[in-house]
Amino acid sequence: QVQMVESGGGLVNPGGSLRLSCAGSGFIFSDYYMSWIRQAPGKGLEWVSYISSSGSTIYYADSVRGRFTISRDNAKNSLHLQMNSLRADDTAVYYCARGVPAAMVDYWGQGTLVSVSS
Amino acid sequence: DIVMTQSPDSLAVSLGERATINCKSSQSILYTSNNKNYLAWYQQKPRQPPKLLIYWASTRESGVPDRFTGSGSGTDFTLTISSLQAEDVAVYYCHQYYITPHTFGQGTKLEIK
Repeated sequence: QVQMVESGGGLVNPGGSLRLSCAGSGFIFSDYYMSWIRQAPGKGLEWVSYISSSGSTIYYADSVRGRFTISRDNAKNSLHLQMNSLRADDTAVYYCARGVPAAMVDYWGQGTLVSVSS
Repeated sequence: DIVMTQSPDSLAVSLGERATINCKSSQSILYTSNNKNYLAWYQQKPRQPPKLLIYWASTRESGVPDRFTGSGSGTDFTLTISSLQAEDVAVYYCHQYYITPHTFGQGTKLEIK
């Protein structure tokens, strides 16, 4: 069955860095675009970043552009999010999500919690 | 950016009654070349990731009960639950994937009256 498992979350100081990873299984990873979507505690969903199936097209939300970098390794069925210059308002559960080409996100991972605090 | 606005923010409905959630986009998300509305609905239960219910505004995802119906076009959309069940208590989000950033509505919390 389709599964995405995130890892790499944790507690980090403001200004610090973290690298999130997502391992996909149960589907042909290279056929799908992937996104990171986050949810601050008690809040709604915020789209963070998109990477096309080949990795050639990338988009970021204004709130993270210049600080976060999305990447993927189709040979290893993995998705990554390098997060630098972290701020308190980056605190959230980060979800890895699979997207149908030119269409919607259809599956979400369980999420990994990132807490930015001193 | 396309702003997605849901109404109401919260809703309490009796078991077996109809629940209606509205979603309005700040610009049309109908792609005229294929006549598709780039709108999805997700259900999120506590401590769980969101689950896809509806895509292309009105196509029900496989396995989703037929009491869930999506409708609308252009800028105005509706999610209707025809007969509320206890397991439908959740937060519901609309989401446009027409153009990046792929924005979400603020969510509608659905409870039992």
